[in-house]
Amino acid sequence: GQQLNQSPQSMFIQEGEDVSMNCTSSSIFNTWLWYKQDPGEGPVLLIALYKAGELTSNGRLTAQFGITRKDSFLNISASIPSDVGIYFCAGQLRGGATNKLIFGTGTLLAVQP
Amino acid sequence: DGGITQSPKYLFRKEGQNVTLSCEQNLNHDAMYWYRQDPGQGLRLIYYSQIVNDFQKGDIAEGYSVSREKKESFPLTVTSAQKNPTAFYLCASSIGPGRADEKLFFGSGTQLSVL
Repeated sequence: GQQLNQSPQSMFIQEGEDVSMNCTSSSIFNTWLWYKQDPGEGPVLLIALYKAGELTSNGRLTAQFGITRKDSFLNISASIPSDVGIYFCAGQLRGGATNKLIFGTGTLLAVQP
Repeated sequence: DGGITQSPKYLFRKEGQNVTLSCEQNLNHDAMYWYRQDPGQGLRLIYYSQIVNDFQKGDIAEGYSVSREKKESFPLTVTSAQKNPTAFYLCASSIGPGRADEKLFFGSGTQLSVL
């Protein structure tokens, strides 16, 4: 199955730093979703993007739907210890016959207090 | 509370045994999904169902089976044919096919291990 290229694979930062991660694909997407997963739990939806160029915020989180429809980024400002977890992007292909989403491989974020 | 409930949280399978993972949702969603997650990998789709009494194979359906007899329930059976079943299994649901604002909601997962 197809997967998205998500980077970086992992990040180790100090509390208070800003974080940026992104997902890219050779395919055009209709939808980009960003999830956070805590250890042993299911992913929780953070931000949903539905239009090219769309920029959406959720507290300290900001995500953008790339203008080419082939990428998206997620920024976290002023990180705190509870930001620790794995962040996944997911995209829905344009013209897809089903509602299957394609997931990135995840970015592991560790925050040093 | 509305949401997706998976049970059990932890499950152990003996050699040659079939086991069933439960997934129930009270969100009134039409579509339901099963994903498998292995360490360091993204989510891989096992099966999905867009409507009651209908389901489709995902990318890694071999060794698994599902049923969708009720809108709110989508159990997954890991059969003895699945030779590497140890993984974290996630159930998800969405409002339904064809929506422009599609988004998935996940349960809290079941960790399956082989004895």
